[in-house]
Amino acid sequence: EVQLVESGGGLVQPGGSLRLSCAASGFSFNNYWINWVRQAPGKGLEWVANINQDGGEKHYVDSVRGRFTISRDNAKNSLYLQMNSLRAEDTAVYYCARGSSRTLDFWGQGTLVTVSS
Amino acid sequence: EIVMTQTPLSSPVTLGQPASISCRSSQSLVHSDGNTYLSWLQQRPGQPPRLLIYKISNRFSGVPDRFSGSGAGTDFTLQISRVEAEDVGVYFCMQGKQPYTFGQGTKLEIK
Repeated sequence: EVQLVESGGGLVQPGGSLRLSCAASGFSFNNYWINWVRQAPGKGLEWVANINQDGGEKHYVDSVRGRFTISRDNAKNSLYLQMNSLRAEDTAVYYCARGSSRTLDFWGQGTLVTVSS
Repeated sequence: EIVMTQTPLSSPVTLGQPASISCRSSQSLVHSDGNTYLSWLQQRPGQPPRLLIYKISNRFSGVPDRFSGSGAGTDFTLQISRVEAEDVGVYFCMQGKQPYTFGQGTKLEIK
C-alpha cells in the first residue's frame, strides 16, 4: 500500500524557517517524481514544487522560488521542503504527493504550517 | 503559467441525478509527446485530495465507473452519471505542464 506521511508543520513567526518531511512507503520511491502541494485554510490547491527521481531536476512555483528548497534522500525514502523567510501567506496545509504521468496519484494527509506572530 | 477555470463553482445536485463540471485552460494542454495531461481530483470534507481521472478520461484505480472525463485541447468535462451521497466534496481539475496548476474547485452538494 502506497503511503506518504508528512511531518514538521507548526507555528512559526514571519521571517522564520521550517523544514517539512515526507516519509514514503509501499512503492519504489526512487522511481518517481514527488511533489509538494499546499492548501490555505478554506481555499483551493496550489502546487508548490517537485523533484525528479535522482534529485537533479527541481521546479518551483514563482511565489516560493528563492525561499523554499525541495530535496530528497532516496536511501531514506524521504522528501523534504526547507522553507525560509516565511510569510503569512505561506500558511497552509502542505501535502506531499507522488507524481506519475504528469498527475498526482497518491497524497499524504498533510501537515499544517501557520505563520503568525 | 496556465490558468485553469472551472464552472460552476457550486453545484447542488439531487441524489441519483447526473452532475457535470467544466474546466477550461488558458492554453492548449496538448504536450509535445502527444498526450493531454488533464486530471480531475476529488476532495471530500476533511480529507486530502484523491485522484479520479488522468489524461482526460482514464479512471484511476478503484474509481467507480459513474465518473467519466472527456474533452480536448482547452475544454474538459467531468461527469457523474448518478450522484451518490459519498460524492459530496470539492472537485479540482489540474493540468500537467510545469508549473502544474489547478482550477479553483467546484463544490458538489446535495439538494
